[in-house]
Amino acid sequence: KAGVTQTPRYLIKTRGQQVTLSCSPISGHRSVSWYQQTPGQGLQFLFEYFSETQRNKGNFPGRFSGRQFSNSRSEMNVSTLELGDSALYLCASSLEWRGGLLETQYFGPGTRLLVL
Amino acid sequence: AQSVAQPEDQVNVAEGNPLTVKCTYSVSGNPYLFWYVQYPNRGLQFLLKYITGDNLVKGSYGFEAEFNKSQTSFHLKKPSALVSDSALYFCAVRDKWDNYGQNFVFGPGTRLSVLP
Repeated sequence: KAGVTQTPRYLIKTRGQQVTLSCSPISGHRSVSWYQQTPGQGLQFLFEYFSETQRNKGNFPGRFSGRQFSNSRSEMNVSTLELGDSALYLCASSLEWRGGLLETQYFGPGTRLLVL
Repeated sequence: AQSVAQPEDQVNVAEGNPLTVKCTYSVSGNPYLFWYVQYPNRGLQFLLKYITGDNLVKGSYGFEAEFNKSQTSFHLKKPSALVSDSALYFCAVRDKWDNYGQNFVFGPGTRLSVLP
C-alpha cells in the first residue's frame, strides 16, 4: 500500500505570496492532519480533517487554512507568507477514529517551505 | 491540557550499548502514547504505541517502551544500539477521552547519536 504523499517536496516563496500544499493519504484513510515543524517550536498541530470537515484546529492565525476533498486528499493554504512560515509542513493520515479506538497516524515526507 | 516532556535534547550512546530516550506526559484522562522517529529530510516514522494492556510495548526495529502510570512516563528503550538508530525521536500523547479529532501533542524531540 502506498504511503502518504506530499507535493511539492520543496518550495521557495517570497514574503506576501501565498502557497498551497497537497497531501494524499494512505488509501482508505479518511483522517488527515497537518503539522508545522520548525527548529524553534518543534512539531505544532495545525488542523485535522475528516470526511471533508475540519474537526480540530491548532493555535495558528487565519492565514493558515485547509480543506479536504471527497477522495480524502487534503490541501493547506498559507496566505500572505511571512519569514516565520519557513518550516517543514507534515501531513499525517489515519483510519477512521471510532470512539475509544485511536488509530496510528502515518506521516508523509513533508514539504519544506522557504520564505525569502 | 495535554503535554509531553522529553527532558534530554541529546542522548549519546556507544554502539552495542543499551539506549533509553525519556518521555513524561500529562493528560486529564487516560493516555494514548506513541513514539516516532525522524531521519534527516524525512517525515516521521511510527515506532510503537501504548493504548491499553501490557505496560511493555514492543515496536519496530527492536525498540520497546514501558508505560509507567504512577510516574507518567513512557521511556523508549533498545537493548543494543546501532549506528543506524541515530535520528530524532519524538514522543506523542493524546487523551483517550478527547472525542474531537486526532489532536496529538508531540514532545520537543530527543536527538540520539550512536557512536561507533
